[in-house]
Amino acid sequence: EPEVTQTPSHQVTQMGQEVILRCVPISNHLYFYWYRQILGQKVEFLVSFYNNEISEKSEIFDDQFSVERPDGSNFTLKIRSTKLEDSAMYFCASSPTATEAFFGQGTRLTVV
Amino acid sequence: AQKITQTQPGMFVQEKEAVTLDCTYDTSDPSYGLFWYKQPSSGEMIFLIYQGSYDQQNATEGRYSLNFQKARKSANLVISASQLGDSAMYFCAMSPSTGANNLFFGTGTRLTVIP
Repeated sequence: EPEVTQTPSHQVTQMGQEVILRCVPISNHLYFYWYRQILGQKVEFLVSFYNNEISEKSEIFDDQFSVERPDGSNFTLKIRSTKLEDSAMYFCASSPTATEAFFGQGTRLTVV
Repeated sequence: AQKITQTQPGMFVQEKEAVTLDCTYDTSDPSYGLFWYKQPSSGEMIFLIYQGSYDQQNATEGRYSLNFQKARKSANLVISASQLGDSAMYFCAMSPSTGANNLFFGTGTRLTVIP
């Protein structure tokens, strides 16, 4: 069964460093999303991407964040200068018709 | 603004029994979607079921059904014949349209199935 794949599963980075989280959405899906979940808290929407551009973003998604679809298969989230409070599980999701979103297994980002 | 409320931080159910996980929502959007996700201890988010606000019938997917009461703004998840593998966090979520764009999540309910 097709699934959303995220790499790496766990990333440790020093505060101030740039990180890129990678996602391979399900191949025929058109809508892509990033969410994050701080440990013990609820899942929060970051950004949605459709037709090669951001369709919606939350207040969390400030100038330190960016997304890109560099080729036909990958979807990346870049955090330019990480802060301690960026430590969270980051989920990529994709959707064929925007009626159900399939999530990847997540990347646990730890900023030290 | 959208709001999702899950008032049960934890629930216990006997194996093979049915359990209902509560979810209420608030929105001013005329159309919206309601979702349930399961998060096992391994951390991934597993899509369970979807209900569109204009759907006339309650959604069902195997042992999962969504008890949608639009006037009461509730979208409770019913799990029938609970299994040990159902032990997990369950999140209710809502999208501001009938699509999956920009999901707002509740705080979750931790379900424990007792043998």
